Amino acid sequence: GENVEQHPSTLSVQEGDSAVIKCTYSDSASNYFPWYKQELGKRPQLIIDIRSNVGEKKDQRIAVTLNKTAKHFSLHITETQPEDSAVYFCAASTEGKSTFGDGTTLTVKP
Amino acid sequence: GAVVSQHPSRVICKSGTSVKIECRSLDFQATTMFWYRQFPKQSLMLMATSNEGSKATYEQGVEKDKFLINHASLTLSTLTVTSAHPEDSSFYICSARRGAGNYGYTFGSGTRLTVV
Repeated sequence: GENVEQHPSTLSVQEGDSAVIKCTYSDSASNYFPWYKQELGKRPQLIIDIRSNVGEKKDQRIAVTLNKTAKHFSLHITETQPEDSAVYFCAASTEGKSTFGDGTTLTVKP
Repeated sequence: GAVVSQHPSRVICKSGTSVKIECRSLDFQATTMFWYRQFPKQSLMLMATSNEGSKATYEQGVEKDKFLINHASLTLSTLTVTSAHPEDSSFYICSARRGAGNYGYTFGSGTRLTVV
């Protein structure tokens, strides 16, 4: 089955700096890669996604890149703000089923 | 759009009892719903895939007789934790996929189950 690895597990940045979270996947059949943000005690919220036919996607301060050959994808957050502090999960999807990474706890220090 | 409602948000039950968790898609028809379990500070682990009108598909290691899933309509899936034990205490969360193909999933708000 699919195996998703996510790094780092924790990330602390200063407000205004950029944050990068990386994921690798194993199943070349995976064709959809969403990223979720989960605040403490709340549900995961989709923040951005990318399909396998696209290499990069950007939405304001958030961007995602995908390298299908290397089977890795990354989340980039620029100009971080304290409210960006949360746990971020990547996922790789095959045939509608998602496998999640272990999550990255991002802390943005004011 | 794409709202998923999950109830209850919190439940405490005694060991040996059963608990039912509901997941409803409010403004779309969900042909497939997924049930995940999330232990503290861990990732979401898929328990089962629920397809409307057919039996659920369980992931390896998940006891189908303990975690009963029913997807009787296109807007409702239920997860019943039977004969609950303290080790079943966890955060259970559903997600629903809208239509066919790979789309972002909409998650329910989750249910915090505590078995005492």
